[in-house]
Amino acid sequence: TQLLEQSPQFLSIQEGENLTVYCNSSSVFSSLQWYRQEPGEGPVLLVTVVTGGEVKKLKRLTFQFGDARKDSSLHITAAQPGDTGLYLCAGAANTNAGKSTFGDGTTLTVKP
Amino acid sequence: EPEVTQTPSHQVTQMGQEVILRCVPISNHLYFYWYRQILGQKVEFLVSFYNNEISEKSEIFDDQFSVERPDGSNFTLKIRSTKLEDSAMYFCASSDRDSPPEAFFGQGTRLTVV
Repeated sequence: TQLLEQSPQFLSIQEGENLTVYCNSSSVFSSLQWYRQEPGEGPVLLVTVVTGGEVKKLKRLTFQFGDARKDSSLHITAAQPGDTGLYLCAGAANTNAGKSTFGDGTTLTVKP
Repeated sequence: EPEVTQTPSHQVTQMGQEVILRCVPISNHLYFYWYRQILGQKVEFLVSFYNNEISEKSEIFDDQFSVERPDGSNFTLKIRSTKLEDSAMYFCASSDRDSPPEAFFGQGTRLTVV
């Protein structure tokens, strides 16, 4: 069974601060997605990483896939209250057509 | 922007009743998925569907569950005889590829079994 562990589980920071959340596994994934989920809504895809060591940037968000494709990080620079939400990572393995394993998520609160 | 739509947004049903959750995936997508999220828990994979057949299913997706694409636009999840523990948010998702599976999720159907 593939598991993804996200840390921290909860994070509360002030506007303007930087933060990093982590997604770790002992399994290798062919790709990893980061989603953001608002209460009562479905996850919204932010980015997909597929190559070990890959770094992708989305405005103030930087996503990195570990060299061994077992872990990933999401770094937010100068966080804003609009960044508040649940951040989920999800990994896919080559052998499971379309199946993604989700982590428990990191709940981020950015206070003005 | 194209989106996945799900109906109803909230369904309350009595234990033992059958429910059908409906989804309209993004029109040019070929891969379809159902996930569920029990309140306070992680998003769990149920089933993936491609070319009119199930590609992969989880251990949660037992004989009480079935999926169908009855026409060119709808994708449904049927639960034959609901149990209390089936109460959850059910998310439909679709993708135009399976590698990587970049899934676009609907808003979800909140199923409450009483």
